Amino acid sequence: DQQVKQNSPSLSVQEGRISILNCDYTNSMFDYFLWYKKYPAEGPTFLISISSIKDKNEDGRFTVFLNKSAKHLSLHIVPSQPGDSAVYFCAAIIQGAQKLVFGQGTRLTINP
Amino acid sequence: NAGVTQTPKFRILKIGQSMTLQCTQDMNHNYMYWYRQDPGMGLKLIYYSVGAGITDKGEVPNGYNVSRSTTEDFPLRLELAAPSQTSVYFCASRNRGRSYEQYFGPGTRLTVT
Repeated sequence: DQQVKQNSPSLSVQEGRISILNCDYTNSMFDYFLWYKKYPAEGPTFLISISSIKDKNEDGRFTVFLNKSAKHLSLHIVPSQPGDSAVYFCAAIIQGAQKLVFGQGTRLTINP
Repeated sequence: NAGVTQTPKFRILKIGQSMTLQCTQDMNHNYMYWYRQDPGMGLKLIYYSVGAGITDKGEVPNGYNVSRSTTEDFPLRLELAAPSQTSVYFCASRNRGRSYEQYFGPGTRLTVT
């Protein structure tokens, strides 16, 4: 049972445009969400997070939006840069618990 | 700080062999985790630990064992390796508290043939 789903395995975006990565979850108990970025042959690195008490969190070019009623979150990258080409994972957790649940990942390619 | 370090980076095992994947963190984090990532899949939790002497199973623990005798180290033991254990293994750690951000090591790529 996949509790966190990233339905797009890959996404290709022109440099300078907006990249939008999507993530859906099924467990309504999840109340904290994170995005990770992963380059080949490296471990994932934390990008941005959001608590369920907010519907938006911004950090520079990265913004995460949370729609609790739809059980959906998205990561917006504006403007997209070639260095943003990586695999992006969303993850969810019930606050106070110990275990993150990860989605399958979306491979983002930024074309010059 | 070196962060989370993992050794080895690569390993090829024959079916039935055993090995230990090493993981060390120097951030004094309480929580440590082992994940595996199969191609096109997300990260699946194998085992985790909330402190020295305390470990618990994750989603896919079969065929693995762990121990946590110190805060810094969290080795993962594979007994009787099988081709299904071919994967990339990541160790991660985080601090106790309201930040759920986990810090990952660079991974160990394991092939069982």
